[in-house]
Amino acid sequence: DTGVSQDPRHKITKRGQNVTFRCDPISEHNRLYWYRQTLGQGPEFLTYFQNEAQLEKSRLLSDRFSAERPKGSFSTLEIQRTEQGDSAMYLCASSFVQTGFYGYTFGSGTRLTVV
Amino acid sequence: DQQVKQNSPSLSVQEGRISILNCDYTNSMFDYFLWYKKYPAEGPTFLISISSIKDKNEDGRFTVFLNKSAKHLSLHIVPSQPGDSAVYFCAASARGSNYKLTFGKGTLLTVNP
Repeated sequence: DTGVSQDPRHKITKRGQNVTFRCDPISEHNRLYWYRQTLGQGPEFLTYFQNEAQLEKSRLLSDRFSAERPKGSFSTLEIQRTEQGDSAMYLCASSFVQTGFYGYTFGSGTRLTVV
Repeated sequence: DQQVKQNSPSLSVQEGRISILNCDYTNSMFDYFLWYKKYPAEGPTFLISISSIKDKNEDGRFTVFLNKSAKHLSLHIVPSQPGDSAVYFCAASARGSNYKLTFGKGTLLTVNP
């Protein structure tokens, strides 16, 4: 297991197009998180899954955003009708939470540029 | 409202000297704190953490200090090495938050040879 994988690494899209990102977490991790990082800011929480259940969504996640984690394995984050303000680094992270919390492992991120 | 604040956008130190990165927080529900290191075009990498029941945690060259009464934590790197040059993020998790992390804006550390 090589850690958390995200695909693609970079995406340039025209405003109004739909985009989908994929995240493959560490296989034994039961929690998966999506964060967004814009220039000069720290990562901001978007949503998280416990196995296949999406348990919380941030108010940052407008109705143009949808995330899934079928069968509790990989996850996808889709943005519909992209806007220039969606340009950011989208980070996926996973963790194993049972008896305690020891932080996340982040992927390398998907850099989205909306032109 | 910025609940985790890193007031120094950048810090420059000489190789071999100590680097001290600071972080302040406002949410008294935070009970677990982490430092992440980030290189350009990569995701954040976990560095060290501390629970609110402790006031110090050490891992090799990295030590994190927590002052709960001041709502302040700091990361000490000694000795600093050029490879430590990166953006350092302070993050915190609150009780009952499902382990969501709230991050500061980061501090760019440059270690000069």
